[in-house]
Amino acid sequence: DAGITQSPRHKVTETGTPVTLRCHQTENHRYMYWYRQDPGHGLRLIHYSYGVKDTDKGEVSDGYSVSRSKTEDFLLTLESATSSQTSVYFCAISLEQTAEAFFGQGTRLTVV
Amino acid sequence: GENVEQHPSTLSVQEGDSAVIKCTYSDSASNYFPWYKQELGKRPQLIIDIRSNVGEKKDQRIAVTLNKTAKHFSLHITETQPEDSAVYFCAASSLGGYQKVTFGIGTKLQVIP
Repeated sequence: DAGITQSPRHKVTETGTPVTLRCHQTENHRYMYWYRQDPGHGLRLIHYSYGVKDTDKGEVSDGYSVSRSKTEDFLLTLESATSSQTSVYFCAISLEQTAEAFFGQGTRLTVV
Repeated sequence: GENVEQHPSTLSVQEGDSAVIKCTYSDSASNYFPWYKQELGKRPQLIIDIRSNVGEKKDQRIAVTLNKTAKHFSLHITETQPEDSAVYFCAASSLGGYQKVTFGIGTKLQVIP
């Protein structure tokens, strides 16, 4: 599993509240990603990071922010959760030498 | 940015038949093309990949082909089995730089016993 842990695994939150999802990795990988998975849309990239404090937007970044203050943690924040952000969120890393990507277990977020 | 299109979105085959899933990509800088299998309720897992300097790669019942000129690549599964039933994703990436990984929308494969 490339040492990737996501927390929490499940969360129910109310519309308008802030939510932070955490991705933790133990193998010093440079590249980290946040995806959301929705039926009919596959895996869509929200934000990614190519180093500490180096992040960039993906195709569905509106309403999300990220931070990477240290190599092992990549945090995804929903500043004010909306029902459209109900989804399964996957964190991933890719190997610098080969570009192979590995996923965390996923976080199921429900916004009510 | 990169755009990956994948089809079909659903595919049903009889056990023992072959299944083919096709993807196209837009960015000529992409040089790495992995395929992932996702079983229900689980995370996507890498099953096979191909790099731009190779035209075909095979691993037991699974093979991938790449046509760089046409910017398309395909997954071939032969002698399908019920345990092959899953969602399959193609992706495109480039080694180094930002190493951004872009996925197709997925193909739900059902193998009918």
